[in-house]
Amino acid sequence: EDQVTQSPEALRLQEGESSSLNCSYTVSGLRGLFWYRQDPGKGPEFLFTLYSAGEEKEKERLKATLTKKESFLHITAPKPEDSATYLCAVTTNYGQNFVFGPGTRLSVLP
Amino acid sequence: DAGVIQSPRHEVTEMGQEVTLRCKPISGHDYLFWYRQTMMRGLELLIYFNNNVPIDDSGMPEDRFSAKMPNASFSTLKIQPSEPRDSAVYFCASSRVRGETQYFGPGTRLLVL
Repeated sequence: EDQVTQSPEALRLQEGESSSLNCSYTVSGLRGLFWYRQDPGKGPEFLFTLYSAGEEKEKERLKATLTKKESFLHITAPKPEDSATYLCAVTTNYGQNFVFGPGTRLSVLP
Repeated sequence: DAGVIQSPRHEVTEMGQEVTLRCKPISGHDYLFWYRQTMMRGLELLIYFNNNVPIDDSGMPEDRFSAKMPNASFSTLKIQPSEPRDSAVYFCASSRVRGETQYFGPGTRLLVL
């Protein structure tokens, strides 16, 4: 069965304190890995798609990387507005439906 | 594009009542997905459509749930009769291609008393 786990469950950072969120997956035939940001009371907002090991994508203070078993979302010098829940999801070559992880709740304190 | 549109944004109803949630996908997207999100179970796929045809409804929890897509720009998710355990946030998402980026609506927060 395809599985996606995320760690930590929750993370509190001081403004400017860089860190990384982890998304580990157990699937057969990864098609793509997706990162989303979700603010309270809103729908998930698309951030990145990664397709192959070694691939990296960047957007402002965020950088996503992918290996054969996991992905990291690196947050450099975070600001309070980066506070949100970060979700990752995977699709496979045979299933192609999204399998979501439980998310990491990030809080960045001023 | 306005993105995925959902209505209502909030719904409070009493147990046993019929609830209808509505979704307008992004124009040109051939796939539409309905999800349910709860604290305990996270995001769960309920059903998805391709070109207005339901393809996989294995995630629909019970026969009380039904979904339709009468045309490319409109879909409904109906719960009849509703129960307190149906309380959750329901999201609609659409994509151009299956397995590719899905764009989510703002969700409908449902509370069944």
